[in-house]
This record gives sequence, structure tokens and C-alpha cells, in this order.
Amino acid sequence: AQSVTQLGSHVSVSEGALVLLRCNYSSSVPPYLFWYVQYPNQGLQLLLKYTSAATLVKGINGFEAEFKKSETSFHLTKPSAHMSDAAEYFCATNNAGNMLTFGGGTRLMVKP
Amino acid sequence: DTEVTQTPKHLVMGMTNKKSLKCEQHMGHRAMYWYKQKAKKPPELMFVYSYEKLSINESVPSRFSPECPNSSLLNLHLHALQPEDSALYLCASSQDGTSGSTDTQYFGPGTRLTVL
Repeated sequence: AQSVTQLGSHVSVSEGALVLLRCNYSSSVPPYLFWYVQYPNQGLQLLLKYTSAATLVKGINGFEAEFKKSETSFHLTKPSAHMSDAAEYFCATNNAGNMLTFGGGTRLMVKP
Repeated sequence: DTEVTQTPKHLVMGMTNKKSLKCEQHMGHRAMYWYKQKAKKPPELMFVYSYEKLSINESVPSRFSPECPNSSLLNLHLHALQPEDSALYLCASSQDGTSGSTDTQYFGPGTRLTVL
């Protein structure tokens, strides 16, 4: 089964700084990859998804992710962090039966 | 419209109670899911319904009983729960649950369950 690993359970950045959240996948075939965000006491909201149409995927709220096969990575970035970006971020992949397998999550903290 | 609604938002129940969680979507999706999420952990899949039939049960204890009355509704019936079942229960839906596709799952806001 395919899996994803998120490096860093907590990431702290200053407001206006670059956001980089790391996700590596384990797959011998091109995976389907997703980034979700979860704000406190809320459900998961889809940020973006990789569909193999393009390696650079743009999502909502200014986030984007780049699929790099050579590095088996799908890192999430945002050029300038905003206080409202503070949340939990999950990388996920599809397995048989459309079962989503999530990474452990990364809590993003944004300092003023 | 990509909205999945869940009721109630919060639920407190005793170990002898029977309660139900409800989930609804009007996106025409034919696959629906129940997840359990403990604090500071990722969601864990419990059940998958595809075309109103239970297709996946991730070895969930029988005190959790799912039901899909129609393509828009998903229920989770709860009976004789344990305190360790306290968690956020998330519902999701997707187009058709096709294996290995980019069939995107859309999540509801969840029900925060506390078992006393």
C-alpha cells in the first residue's frame, strides 16, 4: 500500500516568511496525492491535489505544491505566511477502494 | 457546492446510551465515508459506502453501526461506547469511490463525541 510521511510535526514561521511543509511518498507507481488543512475544531479542507497533469499544483489560499518524482516528494509551500494559516496540515494518498492514507500531520504556527 | 453537513456538532453520552450521528451531502456523490480522529492524530478510516453498499469496514467494533439510507445520507449508530471512543467523527463524500483515482473526498465539520 502507498503511504506518505510528513517530516516535522511542528513548524513555526514568522508572519510574511516562506512556509515549507514536507511530504514524501512511498510508491512504485505515480501516486495520487492530496494536501488538506484542518483549522481548530473543524473538518478537513482540500488545499490541492496532484493528478499527474502538471508537476506544480496551485491550490487555495496561495498554497502550491511541487511533485518531484526523483525525490518522491510533494512539499507544500506558500511564499508569505499569514496569521490565518496557523492550522494542522495533512498530506494524503489514495489506496485501493479510494482509502485515504494520511501522514502524521504538521502543525503550522505563525508568529507575529 | 462542496458542502458536507454533520449533526450534531457536539455529543455527550454515557456508556449505556444509544445515539446516532448524521451526515448529509447534496453533491450527487455516490461514495461516503466515516473517519475517527483522536486529538493530535490524523483521521482513521472506519467505513466506506459505495453506491449505498458497505464496501469497507476497517475492523471497527460492533458498537459502531453504519447505515446508508440513501445516496445523500449516512448515519453512524452508537451503542455501549467506551470512554476511549471519545473523538472527532468525520464524514466525507466523493464522486464514486473509484479505486486509485483522484476521486477527491470532501469532509464535513465533524461531530465531537465525548463518552462519559
